[in-house]
Amino acid sequence: GAGVSQSPSNKVTEKGKDVELRCDPISGHTALYWYRQSLGQGLEFLIYFQGNSAPDKSGLPSDRFSAERTGGSVSTLTIQRTQQEDSAVYLCASSSIASGTQYFGPGTRLLVL
Amino acid sequence: AQSVTQPDIHITVSEGASLELRCNYSYGATPYLFWYVQSPGQGLQLLLKYFSGDTLVQGIKGFEAEFKRSQSSFNLRKPSVHWSDAAEYFCAVGAAGLTGGGNKLTFGTGTQLKVEL
Repeated sequence: GAGVSQSPSNKVTEKGKDVELRCDPISGHTALYWYRQSLGQGLEFLIYFQGNSAPDKSGLPSDRFSAERTGGSVSTLTIQRTQQEDSAVYLCASSSIASGTQYFGPGTRLLVL
Repeated sequence: AQSVTQPDIHITVSEGASLELRCNYSYGATPYLFWYVQSPGQGLQLLLKYFSGDTLVQGIKGFEAEFKRSQSSFNLRKPSVHWSDAAEYFCAVGAAGLTGGGNKLTFGTGTQLKVEL
């Protein structure tokens, strides 16, 4: 009965570097979401995957942000050329068709120096 | 566009006292409504949700919420607060009719609850 897991828990990087954040959804959940939580902006939707459909990328703040989901399970959020304003907690959630309820992981805390 | 307003940024209550956290939403159709709680350094834990049916919903940890369409509100209540309830509480709205997680959620700014012993 594992929940959503995310890695790493914390990431410190230098401005301009690329980072990859990983999310393992609950087994069997077909939908996967990324959100960002920051002091200035609160909780914001970033991107949504549902099965084999094209992802909803409407929340990505810039083209430096991208995400993929391999095999309908694990997802990776990539931020290229990180900026200090990218510092935030990145939360992943997953849900099933039956419940429509999103279950969140513990988040990755990203600090860009 | 959908939006959520949580007018109280901070609330302080005494242990054993009752609690009501306010949430107002804006959505063009029947919404899905959620309350989540976040403890420091943790992810979001679902307290309760409203999709349809009975407008008074029960959740975990003794919380309940009432959906009032006429007021566009979904306030969270607890009759007797425990010190362990101190945390940040988020109200969220999503699209109804899209099961399976078609609901990209819009969150309020959160209410920080402090419990005095």
